[in-house]
Amino acid sequence: EAGVTQFPSHSVIEKGQTVTLRCDPISGHDNLYWYRRVMGKEIKFLLHFVKESKQDESGMPNNRFLAERTGGTYSTLKVQPAELEDSGVYFCASSQVCGPEPNQPQHFGDGTRLSIL
Amino acid sequence: GQNIDQPTEMTATEGAIVQINCTYQTSGFNGLFWYQQHAGEAPTFLSYNVLDGLEEKGRFSSFLSRSKGYSYLLLKELQMKDSASYLCAALDSNYQLIWGAGTKLIIKP
Repeated sequence: EAGVTQFPSHSVIEKGQTVTLRCDPISGHDNLYWYRRVMGKEIKFLLHFVKESKQDESGMPNNRFLAERTGGTYSTLKVQPAELEDSGVYFCASSQVCGPEPNQPQHFGDGTRLSIL
Repeated sequence: GQNIDQPTEMTATEGAIVQINCTYQTSGFNGLFWYQQHAGEAPTFLSYNVLDGLEEKGRFSSFLSRSKGYSYLLLKELQMKDSASYLCAALDSNYQLIWGAGTKLIIKP
């Protein structure tokens, strides 16, 4: 079974530019999550998709961040325009819904290391 | 507010036992996860506790006390490959994961 894959693995862009991160969850996983880890800090939740719908986007820092999951498969996270404080590692995770169980372990991708210059 | 506390770094000897503690304060509670993360890699799932007590899984065990807001991860027969960061994360009432900053475990020969 292929794991969660994220692309690109690294991205270095200048302040003001746009970057789009992609996440392919494990096949059949309805739940998809985006997280961010700023250097030296804990992982922070950004948002949660159930299929193509945004279940919870309370962690999105501001309207420069836009996440989509068209068709309920892969997801993209766009940052436009990027600011210096957006630098960090962006993780994607997916989990399988099985009945009413919300606590399925989340399987993580390797993350995208985003550096804003 | 919501908060997860765990030590920043621990050192142990190959073959020994180490216990990594985690305390949590969350809005509601739906269980506690432990993840292992090697540098530059994805966090990988180790354990999940929602009831009080000890869950054993091979060399790794995880304990939970809901009344104390406390968990620990116990690693036995330490191997060099166990050198990694160990992340404690609690599931709150919105089923959102609240993460600790991670404990960097250094294993010495």
